[in-house]
Amino acid sequence: DGGITQSPKYLFRKEGQNVTLSCEQNLNHDAMYWYRQDPGQGLRLIYYSQIVNDFQKGDIAEGYSVSREKKESFPLTVTSAQKNPTAFYLCASSITSDTTEQYFGPGTRLTVT
Amino acid sequence: AQSVTQLGSHVSVSEGALVLLRCNYSSSVPPYLFWYVQYPNQGLQLLLKYTSAATLVKGINGFEAEFKKSETSFHLTKPSAHMSDAAEYFCAVSDRTATGYALNFGKGTSLLVTP
Repeated sequence: DGGITQSPKYLFRKEGQNVTLSCEQNLNHDAMYWYRQDPGQGLRLIYYSQIVNDFQKGDIAEGYSVSREKKESFPLTVTSAQKNPTAFYLCASSITSDTTEQYFGPGTRLTVT
Repeated sequence: AQSVTQLGSHVSVSEGALVLLRCNYSSSVPPYLFWYVQYPNQGLQLLLKYTSAATLVKGINGFEAEFKKSETSFHLTKPSAHMSDAAEYFCAVSDRTATGYALNFGKGTSLLVTP
């Protein structure tokens, strides 16, 4: 089955540690996205990538980093510089960056204490 | 930038009653509009989308939405609520960036369905 996989479902880290969230897709989509979801705030765009080896900052990129070395993979690193990292993180993809419809993974809930 | 506003963070309906979730958009160009549904601790699932082909858009699970340019609205409706409709609903608008498209989401409306 084609889809987007995010792992793990739940992730716990101590404050001051970097943590990497995985996102893999087998839809052969060119574009991939990372969103952060907080209660009552909807989804906010962190980073997006149109094509391999290229990515752009979204609205709330500070404290985050990404890489896109393979078409299928778009990992997100939450660094210790992110002031409030506890949140639900959603990865999405679209056929191309000019395609408006996005498909979402199941999400990773990160808790930092 | 294009944006959407969802009116009402929580909506409660009785099972079998009409569901109406409100969304207004702000866009300087003809928008692409979407409704997504999210069940607890899951990702988002596309319910329906408007891409200017028809003003009344039918989606999955019996939902539909009507694009009204004069009112800048894209409200989501379902004639008869089912218990399984209880979820978080997000309206989104596609926003052109320098290098492609991104989605701008509303803050969501939590739908509660009571027996």
